Amino acid sequence: AQRVTQPEKLLSVFKGAPVELKCNYSYSGSPELFWYVQYSRQRLQLLLRHISRESIKGFTADLNKGETSFHLKKPFAQEEDSAMYYCALPQSHDQKVTFGTGTKLQVIP
Amino acid sequence: EPEVTQTPSHQVTQMGQEVILRCVPISNHLYFYWYRQILGQKVEFLVSFYNNEISEKSEIFDDQFSVERPDGSNFTLKIRSTKLEDSAMYFCASNGLGAKETQYFGPGTRLLVL
Repeated sequence: AQRVTQPEKLLSVFKGAPVELKCNYSYSGSPELFWYVQYSRQRLQLLLRHISRESIKGFTADLNKGETSFHLKKPFAQEEDSAMYYCALPQSHDQKVTFGTGTKLQVIP
Repeated sequence: EPEVTQTPSHQVTQMGQEVILRCVPISNHLYFYWYRQILGQKVEFLVSFYNNEISEKSEIFDDQFSVERPDGSNFTLKIRSTKLEDSAMYFCASNGLGAKETQYFGPGTRLLVL
């Protein structure tokens, strides 16, 4: 069965420290993974998707098929990065998306 | 920039009552979704809708739930007889190309069933 795991509910880092938000998946096929972010009192919005290979707001994520991971990284955390981050995986054969449980990133000034 | 809108932002209802949650997707989008998030839990897929019919639904989406696109702009989620456990944040989303593409989310409706 398709599954997305975000093992950390809360990640606290100091401003300027590196950040890694973990996401592991189980999927039979070639996955297309997304990271969504929800800032305080705002809607869920796309942060990045693996297929675009972009860096958004300094964040990157590399799909590692060997480790079935799609960890989100940023070399230097900023206070404005504090938010909830969700890893998401669409299914291949139908219109369903599985979300991870989310990780709350708290950047300490 | 166009956005998905949802009304109401908050709804309080008595157990057993019917509620209708409304969404206006982005105008040129073709795929529509409902998700829910119980407080402190993950975002859960409920249903996807395309070409005026349900294309996928989760096990949560039982006979108490229904969706409709009554006109060219609205997309509604109806819960026929609400239960306490239906209390959650309900998010609508839409996109132009299906589940493998970026989803554009509405701000959510917080439903409280008493």
